Amino acid sequence: DAGITQSPRHKVTETGTPVTLRCHQTENHRYMYWYRQDPGHGLRLIHYSYGVKDTDKGEVSDGYSVSRSKTEDFLLTLESATSSQTSVYFCAISESHPGLAGLSLYNEQFFGPGTRLTVL
Amino acid sequence: TQLLEQSPQFLSIQEGENLTVYCNSSSVFSSLQWYRQEPGEGPVLLVTVVTGGEVKKLKRLTFQFGDARKDSSLHITAAQTGDTGLYLCAGALNTGRRALTFGSGTRLQVQP
Repeated sequence: DAGITQSPRHKVTETGTPVTLRCHQTENHRYMYWYRQDPGHGLRLIHYSYGVKDTDKGEVSDGYSVSRSKTEDFLLTLESATSSQTSVYFCAISESHPGLAGLSLYNEQFFGPGTRLTVL
Repeated sequence: TQLLEQSPQFLSIQEGENLTVYCNSSSVFSSLQWYRQEPGEGPVLLVTVVTGGEVKKLKRLTFQFGDARKDSSLHITAAQTGDTGLYLCAGALNTGRRALTFGSGTRLQVQP
């Protein structure tokens, strides 16, 4: 199993408070991702990182920010938590496998155990 | 609207039965992956298919990638209670963006 940990595993907070979730990897993988999982929506990408200090937005990035100051750590911050951000958050890591002309053929992702966040 | 549509959303069968789960899109993917997720855990990769028309077998699981690389299927033969879980397909678009698009999942319950 890929070495990925998430902290905390569970958190209950109140609307308007800041929250930071941490993802830590020991695999030295270049790419890291934050997803949220809600019933009926599968996994939706919040932000991802393609290197230290290199990040990009996903499909549901509003209200979230990320930082990656080291290869092994990827932080997700909710600046002012809202009830709509109650969800299960998953971190993932990958190394892409380049295909022809350098385009990525596939990037198998390995997921952490998840953080259950409840915003009251 | 989901870029990847999975069907059915829920499936409850008896042990020993066969089943097929579908993953469809109007977009072309450079690769497609299937994951299985158990309650309280993160998804775990089952297989990656890359070539149009490709078929891969993993014991009782057979994965197929459509010729046009827009759809995929997962067939389970003689289901067992241990197959219970959420099955997710995920596709990589050939945009250079290193991110996957996930379907909404098929929740499978295999009854003893």
